[in-house]
Amino acid sequence: AQSVTQLGSHVSVSEGALVLLRCNYSSSVPPYLFWYVQYPNQGLQLLLKYTSAATLVKGINGFEAEFKKSETSFHLTKPSAHMSDAAEYFCAVSAGNQGGKLIFGQGTELSVKP
Amino acid sequence: KAGVTQTPRYLIKTRGQQVTLSCSPISGHRSVSWYQQTPGQGLQFLFEYFSETQRNKGNFPGRFSGRQFSNSRSEMNVSTLELGDSALYLCASSLEGTQPQHFGDGTRLSIL
Repeated sequence: AQSVTQLGSHVSVSEGALVLLRCNYSSSVPPYLFWYVQYPNQGLQLLLKYTSAATLVKGINGFEAEFKKSETSFHLTKPSAHMSDAAEYFCAVSAGNQGGKLIFGQGTELSVKP
Repeated sequence: KAGVTQTPRYLIKTRGQQVTLSCSPISGHRSVSWYQQTPGQGLQFLFEYFSETQRNKGNFPGRFSGRQFSNSRSEMNVSTLELGDSALYLCASSLEGTQPQHFGDGTRLSIL
């Protein structure tokens, strides 16, 4: 069975500061891992995905994430926060044999202070 | 390329009624998944359809059902609505299911 834990339901950073959103997963098979972002009154937008290729994954809008198998982590980072990054971020896992079934973490709301 | 389209965007129903939500996937995508999003439970997987067959199912009661048509469009039905069914219902499509899913903007269902 798969599960995802996102540490911190709210994270606040200053504009220009490092963004670090934490995600730990549990999976009995090699996982596919994803980060999605959700803006108010919208659906989810894919930021990046890990599918067993490079462990450091680059996504859109300057975000990247590193897959660490030994720590079962897939933390999301961005070197310099922008006001437009304020949104809710979701980490998700799926198993290759589970088709289109995604298991999501509880989400982390990112606030960016000017 | 058009994205995933969900209709309607907003719905208001009363307890005991039933509702049907529609999802048109990205052209060429054969997998359609449905999720329920609530403040308390977060994002929960409902079911996935692939080539008109239900391939995966989450832990929801039988009141929640779905289907997929030959053009990959999908509908989700909820019968005997309860107050707790108030949620944002999201549809996502992908080429084969294991590929990244692309989400629609959702249908916000409110039960009075």
